[in-house]
Amino acid sequence: DAGVIQSPRHEVTEMGQEVTLRCKPISGHNSLFWYRQTMMRGLELLIYFNNNVPIDDSGMPEDRFSAKMPNASFSTLKIQPSEPRDSAVYFCASTSYTENYEQYFGPGTRLTVT
Amino acid sequence: DAKTTQPTSMDCAEGRAANLPCNHSTISGNEYVYWYRQIHSQGPQYIIHGLKNNETNEMASLIITEDRKSSTLILPHATLRDTAVYYCIVSPLYNFNKFYFGSGTKLNVKP
Repeated sequence: DAGVIQSPRHEVTEMGQEVTLRCKPISGHNSLFWYRQTMMRGLELLIYFNNNVPIDDSGMPEDRFSAKMPNASFSTLKIQPSEPRDSAVYFCASTSYTENYEQYFGPGTRLTVT
Repeated sequence: DAKTTQPTSMDCAEGRAANLPCNHSTISGNEYVYWYRQIHSQGPQYIIHGLKNNETNEMASLIITEDRKSSTLILPHATLRDTAVYYCIVSPLYNFNKFYFGSGTKLNVKP
């Protein structure tokens, strides 16, 4: 398996623009996670899905952030409008009960908002 | 809210065992102890987890005290590639609402 795939790997955008980050989980995994990592706040869980359904989005910082999982093989994290403080590395991870809930992380998307 | 306490950094000589401690004095009965690590600029990598018994896999050993208030991750023969930030996390097995990575321990393996 290719592992968790994230795109783009790097994104530079201007403040106010819409940003969409994409994630393809490992085939067969039924749980998907979005994390954000910054120097100040470390690695934070934003939202996670079970069987394509959002279970807990309490980590989503504000309404500018939204996440969807239209099917088992694809998820998006959208920021609209983006702000400089959204600059961070965003990780997607997936797992399942067959993996004993070990989370497999993607390589991350480094977002820079100018 | 931090549920674990780890040293900020540790050094280890290449080829020696690295012992990374973690305090989790408020751990609940249904919470597991997980260890992940993050090598610079990569996504975190799962290492091992356990409930109350000691666990061993191809990467490491996990020693959990009898009262479960602390644990130690052991890398038996550290290599330069083990230089990373190591995170100790306590969480129920099926509930990720409080899957909190914290600041971790930066392990520096030196030649």
